[in-house]
Amino acid sequence: EPEVTQTPSHQVTQMGQEVILRCVPISNHLYFYWYRQILGQKVEFLVSFYNNEISEKSEIFDDQFSVERPDGSNFTLKIRSTKLEDSAMYFCASRGTGNNQPQHFGDGTRLSIL
Amino acid sequence: GNSVTQMEGPVTLSEEAFLTINCTYTATGYPSLFWYVQYPGEGLQLLLKATKADDKGSNKGFEATYRKETTSFHLEKGSVQVSDSAVYFCALSEWAGYQKVTFGIGTKLQVIP
Repeated sequence: EPEVTQTPSHQVTQMGQEVILRCVPISNHLYFYWYRQILGQKVEFLVSFYNNEISEKSEIFDDQFSVERPDGSNFTLKIRSTKLEDSAMYFCASRGTGNNQPQHFGDGTRLSIL
Repeated sequence: GNSVTQMEGPVTLSEEAFLTINCTYTATGYPSLFWYVQYPGEGLQLLLKATKADDKGSNKGFEATYRKETTSFHLEKGSVQVSDSAVYFCALSEWAGYQKVTFGIGTKLQVIP
């Protein structure tokens, strides 16, 4: 069964540095998402992406964050000037067209800011 | 806005015990409802879903019924196994549009032999 893949599985970065988290969605999916889960807290929606533009974003997704689909397969989340509170598990998801299609999630990238 | 409330746990059960994890939701319109499972060290996997009132989702012995009148989607399993130990997330998405998912806090289940 096709799956969403995320790299790296664990990223350790110094505070203030930029990080790029990578995702390869399922190949025929057109809707892409990023979520994050701070340790011990809920999984929170960050952003959705469709037709090469952001379709919806949460209040968490401020100017520090950006997303890009640089080619036909990758979907990236960039975090600039990382802060300690950016430490979390970041999940990528993708969904096929049509209503009621479930989102398929990757295994996540654990981001640790030191 | 949309929200999902579920029991926090942890829930500890003996093998072959009956499992219920309660979940209620608040949403506008007619959301789709999901249970996702996260096994230790792994990502989020869709366990089951229901897309309209009175639908029953089922998978791997787990069941949940979409109850619009009580805005609930409780997860049940008749006989749990040690391999069911995981964190279970109740979630919803809007029926149309970009369908972001709203998650509950997650309930950790530990099944002991």
